[in-house]
Amino acid sequence: NAGVTQTPKFRILKIGQSMTLQCAQDMNHNYMYWYRQDPGMGLKLIYYSVGAGITDKGEVPNGYNVSRSTTEDFPLRLELAAPSQTSVYFCASSSMPGQGHHEQYFGPGTRLTVT
Amino acid sequence: AQKITQTQPGMFVQEKEAVTLDCTYDTSDPSYGLFWYKQPSSGEMIFLIYQGSYDQQNATEGRYSLNFQKARKSANLVISASQLGDSAMYFCAMRANQAGTALIFGKGTTLSVSS
Repeated sequence: NAGVTQTPKFRILKIGQSMTLQCAQDMNHNYMYWYRQDPGMGLKLIYYSVGAGITDKGEVPNGYNVSRSTTEDFPLRLELAAPSQTSVYFCASSSMPGQGHHEQYFGPGTRLTVT
Repeated sequence: AQKITQTQPGMFVQEKEAVTLDCTYDTSDPSYGLFWYKQPSSGEMIFLIYQGSYDQQNATEGRYSLNFQKARKSANLVISASQLGDSAMYFCAMRANQAGTALIFGKGTTLSVSS
C-alpha cells in the first residue's frame, strides 16, 4: 500500500494565483482531513470529510475549498493565494470511529510558498 | 473548548537515557483519545502511541509509553533508552469524540538526543 500520497511536494505561487493540492489514499478510509502547519506550530484543521460527497469546515477554512467525489481522493483548492497561506499542508486519513484507535495516517506534506 | 498544551519547547537527552515529554489537555468530553506523533526533520508525521480515556492501563509501544493521569489531565510520553534517531519534533494530539473526529494538536516539543 502506498498509504496517503500528496502532490506536489513543493510549490511556489504568486499572490492571486490558484492551485489544487492533490491527496489520495489507498486504505479505503472513509475519513480524510486537510491540515496546515505553520513554522514552529502544531497542525490546524482546514477541512475534513467523513465520506464521498460529505465535507465540513475545520478551524481555519477561509481561502480554501475541498471536494470529495470518491473515497480515495480529497483535493484542496486554494483560490486567490495570499502570503498568509504560506505553510506546509498535510493530508490525512483514518478509519471510522470504533475501528481500532482511529489514528490518522498522514501524507508526506506539501510545502507551499506564496510570494 | 478542547486544548492541548506542551510546555517544553525543547528537550535534551543523552543516548540510552529515558526522557519524558509533557502534555496536558483540556476537554469536557468524557470520551476522548490521546495521540503522540513524531515529526523528524524530513517532515512526515509518524503515529507513535494512543491512549483512550477509558483505558485502565497506560499504553506502551516498544520504547514508548504513555503516562496517563486522568485526574490531572496529563498524557506524558516516556521514551526509554533514547537513540540518536529519536531526535525530532513530538506532537501530542487529542480527539474529543463529541467534537468530531479531527485531531487537535499541541505546539510540539523538539527532542535532541546526543551521543
